[in-house]
Amino acid sequence: GDSVTQMEGPVTLSEEAFLTINCTYTATGYPSLFWYVQYPGEGLQLLLKATKADDKGSNKGFEATYRKETTSFHLEKGSVQVSDSAVYFCALRWTDKLIFGTGTRLQVFP
Amino acid sequence: NAGVTQTPKFRVLKTGQSMTLLCAQDMNHEYMYWYRQDPGMGLRLIHYSVGEGTTAKGEVPDGYNVSRLKKQNFLLGLESAAPSQTSVYFCASSVSGPETQYFGPGTRLLVL
Repeated sequence: GDSVTQMEGPVTLSEEAFLTINCTYTATGYPSLFWYVQYPGEGLQLLLKATKADDKGSNKGFEATYRKETTSFHLEKGSVQVSDSAVYFCALRWTDKLIFGTGTRLQVFP
Repeated sequence: NAGVTQTPKFRVLKTGQSMTLLCAQDMNHEYMYWYRQDPGMGLRLIHYSVGEGTTAKGEVPDGYNVSRLKKQNFLLGLESAAPSQTSVYFCASSVSGPETQYFGPGTRLLVL
């Protein structure tokens, strides 16, 4: 069945460093792809999405491009802040549900 | 506008006890979801509903039941709790499809 694979964390960075969190997917067809973020003690919230190949989703300085050739949707940010410390989940849409990856914890230190 | 709320925030149960978790949303959303979150497992869908009076099974439905008698409420029941059901439970809702889901703050359940 359809699935999402994320890089294991934690990812530990210094403030202002470049961030990449890898996400690849397995799917029949071309599903919509998402990144959700979970800040400490909170529920998940949508960060960005892309609905078709070559689309780029962006929000709050984060970007991800839907690459059908490599079945990937990697999350990037040019300069992370301490406030970006959270768990990031990649997800894809399958019928009327979302399938989530296992999450990647990001820790940013000053 | 409270968004998605969950009751209770934390609960301790003994094996074999029953309980109901309540999810309420005030956004008039059609779709509602129950997930559980376990370390290293990410979020797994338990049950979901695409409208008032409808429910469907997700990835891990065994040991749980749900009801959606009112559009704004989605109840998750555990008839006979087991230690394997120790987890953090999240409810979510969305307007008319699964893409943009709004999550509640979670319920932490410990089954002894």
